[in-house]
Amino acid sequence: GQNIDQPTEMTATEGAIVQINCTYQTSGFNGLFWYQQHAGEAPTFLSYNVLDGLEEKGRFSSFLSRSKGYSYLLLKELQMKDSASYLCAVYAGDYKLSFGAGTTVTVRA
Amino acid sequence: IAGITQAPTSQILAAGRRMTLRCTQDMRHNAMYWYRQDLGLGLRLIHYSNTAGTTGKGEVPDGYSVSRANTDDFPLTLASAVPSQTSVYFCASSEKAGSTDTQYFGPGTRLTVL
Repeated sequence: GQNIDQPTEMTATEGAIVQINCTYQTSGFNGLFWYQQHAGEAPTFLSYNVLDGLEEKGRFSSFLSRSKGYSYLLLKELQMKDSASYLCAVYAGDYKLSFGAGTTVTVRA
Repeated sequence: IAGITQAPTSQILAAGRRMTLRCTQDMRHNAMYWYRQDLGLGLRLIHYSNTAGTTGKGEVPDGYSVSRANTDDFPLTLASAVPSQTSVYFCASSEKAGSTDTQYFGPGTRLTVL
């Protein structure tokens, strides 16, 4: 099976920066996604990495190191609306998407 | 509005009853998926369909069945519900299977089996 690990919870202050780490061990690798999920809602797409390096998209950036089986999602200039769960997901060799359990981020004023 | 719809939004069901969760997409995506989400376990794939007329088993298929008669609809059936099937169910779709296309999710169905 696939193994994807991320911290359960993180807390940060409004305006600060938070980094959510994700490590994975999968049978093959075809790309890594980050999704945002607000409580009671559907997951929504944030970012996709398939090559090593940093992808920046506004306040959110995602990094990938395939040799280390590691990714992180960086949230800058945190806002209250960023309070949500962040899901790390990997397309393994069979092109099925496997998800981590998610990291709940709480932003405090 | 383009996207994925699911019905019902929530349901309380007696154990042993049959239940079908509905999923419809209007994006003409070839691939569709059913996931369940449980606290601490993340999203787990139940069944998938690469294209109309074909289906496959995911990580946790037991107790569930699906059909894909056309491109738009992908219903999930619980033949005889059990309490362990209490969960939030998400339907998703992507443009094509066997690729790294982004999966888009419906709003979910919250199912409680008593």
